[in-house]
Amino acid sequence: AQSVTQLGSHVSVSEGALVLLRCNYSSSVPPYLFWYVQYPNQGLQLLLKYTTGATLVKGINGFEAEFKKSETSFHLTKPSAHMSDAAEYFCAVSVEGSQGNLIFGKGTKLSVKP
Amino acid sequence: GAVVSQHPSRVICKSGTSVKIECRSLDFQATTMFWYRQFPKKSLMLMATSNEGSKATYEQGVEKDKFLINHASLTLSTLTVTSAHPEDSSFYICSARNLYQTSSTDTQYFGPGTRLTVL
Repeated sequence: AQSVTQLGSHVSVSEGALVLLRCNYSSSVPPYLFWYVQYPNQGLQLLLKYTTGATLVKGINGFEAEFKKSETSFHLTKPSAHMSDAAEYFCAVSVEGSQGNLIFGKGTKLSVKP
Repeated sequence: GAVVSQHPSRVICKSGTSVKIECRSLDFQATTMFWYRQFPKKSLMLMATSNEGSKATYEQGVEKDKFLINHASLTLSTLTVTSAHPEDSSFYICSARNLYQTSSTDTQYFGPGTRLTVL
């Protein structure tokens, strides 16, 4: 079975500072990994995903994530936070043959201070 | 492209009534739609996988007679919460995958969610 752990339910950074949101996964088979962002009272928007190939994945809005198999991690980063980045971020895992069922982490709320 | 809508966006109902939530893929055909439930300050919990023309597959612990799912066409899936009670109050989100995307690597497109409040 797959599972996702997001360390830190709430992360606060200053505008312009580095954003680091942590995600660790557990999977007995090669995982597919996703990061989604959710703005208040809205659905989820895909930021980026890792399936195969290059382990550093670039997404929208300047975000990127690196798949590290040895650490079973898929941390999300952005070099410089913007006020508009304030939202809830979810890491998710899927595996081949699962019909694409996503297993989500509990989410990390990102606050950006001026 | 790849827009998914949900209707209504917000609904308040009395205990004991039934509520229907619609999920539509607006610019693509979706053979598979997913229904999630999100509790406050919690993650999304997959409730069921809906396949067009066949019965939905429910996750363990989700009552199929309570949460009726119908996927009658390639662009529409509905979730009906029957005999709703206050504990059913939640944020319900659907997602859809494109007809031509059958791999688990393919993106799910999420609707904006429906806030259900049962009094």
